[in-house]
Amino acid sequence: AQSVAQPEDQVNVAEGNPLTVKCTYSVSGNPYLFWYVQYPNRGLQFLLKYITGDNLVKGSYGFEAEFNKSQTSFHLKKPSALVSDSALYFCAVRDSRGSTLGRLYFGRGTQLTVWP
Amino acid sequence: SQTIHQWPATLVQPVGSPLSLECTVEGTSNPNLYWYRQAAGRGLQLLFYSVGIGQISSEVPQNLSASRPQDRQFILSSKKLLLSDSGFYLCASGGRVYGEAYEQYFGPGTRLTVT
Repeated sequence: AQSVAQPEDQVNVAEGNPLTVKCTYSVSGNPYLFWYVQYPNRGLQFLLKYITGDNLVKGSYGFEAEFNKSQTSFHLKKPSALVSDSALYFCAVRDSRGSTLGRLYFGRGTQLTVWP
Repeated sequence: SQTIHQWPATLVQPVGSPLSLECTVEGTSNPNLYWYRQAAGRGLQLLFYSVGIGQISSEVPQNLSASRPQDRQFILSSKKLLLSDSGFYLCASGGRVYGEAYEQYFGPGTRLTVT
């Protein structure tokens, strides 16, 4: 079975401070991992993905994520948070094996609030 | 890159009325298509997915149905809406190359309120 856990419903940080949004996953084979961001009343926007290779993945808007196979984690990070980063963040996983379906399994989301 | 269109953007419907939400995709061909529902601004529930014209798989038994009459068109329907059908409906499109981890692209969503 494939699943994603985002252990924090809410993360609060001050502008300019580093931020981390946590994600752990469970898959049978090798994982494909994704981060999405959602602003109020909008669709999800793709931020970054891990397929293979370098464990540190860089994405849009200055975000990056670190893949840790031993800890089955894929935490989202940003060195310096902006107020405009405040949004709902989703982690998703897909098993590298299987059909062409391409289904993703999403976490419940983490609400990030960056205060001035 | 892909662009996903959804309409209407918002909809208020009485209980028992029919529903039709439409999703169209630009910038790709033969995509996998998905309908999600998001309740209370949080987790995503996969409702339906399609790997081709006329091919629909349902994830959960419910009051809704889906159809794919054309390669890049995906429709979500109901004959009689329930209060519990209220939510934010998202259409997504993803690549279908075997073994490739194509990300899904999402439309702007439809906010449905059943009164």
